[in-house]
Amino acid sequence: GQNIDQPTEMTATEGAIVQINCTYQTSGFNGLFWYQQHAGEAPTFLSYNVLDGLEEKGRFSSFLSRSKGYSYLLLKELQMKDSASYLCAVRASTSNYGQNFVFGPGTRLSVLP
Amino acid sequence: GAVVSQHPSWVICKSGTSVKIECRSLDFQATTMFWYRQFPKQSLMLMATSNEGSKATYEQGVEKDKFLINHASLTLSTLTVTSAHPEDSSFYICSARVTGDNSYEQYFGPGTRLTVT
Repeated sequence: GQNIDQPTEMTATEGAIVQINCTYQTSGFNGLFWYQQHAGEAPTFLSYNVLDGLEEKGRFSSFLSRSKGYSYLLLKELQMKDSASYLCAVRASTSNYGQNFVFGPGTRLSVLP
Repeated sequence: GAVVSQHPSWVICKSGTSVKIECRSLDFQATTMFWYRQFPKQSLMLMATSNEGSKATYEQGVEKDKFLINHASLTLSTLTVTSAHPEDSSFYICSARVTGDNSYEQYFGPGTRLTVT
């Protein structure tokens, strides 16, 4: 099976930088995704990592280390609208019972003025 | 591009009745769609993978006779919650994968909030 862990809640100040960590244990790893979800809304795609290293996309960057089973999402120049839940999701190429895409518990980020 | 819609956006039904939720890919074909359930302050839980023209694959613990999935075309999948109970009240979200896209990115619908009274 797959096990994904994220901090439950984080708080940061507008304009600051925050790093949200995700650790996972899985067999047949085939990619890690980060999603942003505002309360009551569906998730929106932020990033996808399948190889080790840093992927930068504007104010958001995502890092992956497959050997450590570790990823982080880095948010720069925080804005109030960045207050949301951030979901880490892992895809595995092997599956039992059809499970091949598992979401972590999510990290609720609060950005304060 | 890559827009997914869901209908209805919210529904209230009485215990024991059935509710159908539609998931449509509006501007792309989706051989594979996914159905998730999300309880308040919890993460998404994959319920089943819907494949066009074949039977859905259900996750462990999800009753296939209670949550009926039909993926009759490349743009439409439906989830029917049969004999609904109050504990089925949840936020149901579908997602779709673009046919032939190897990035495995999923595009999510806006979700359907189901309340069973």
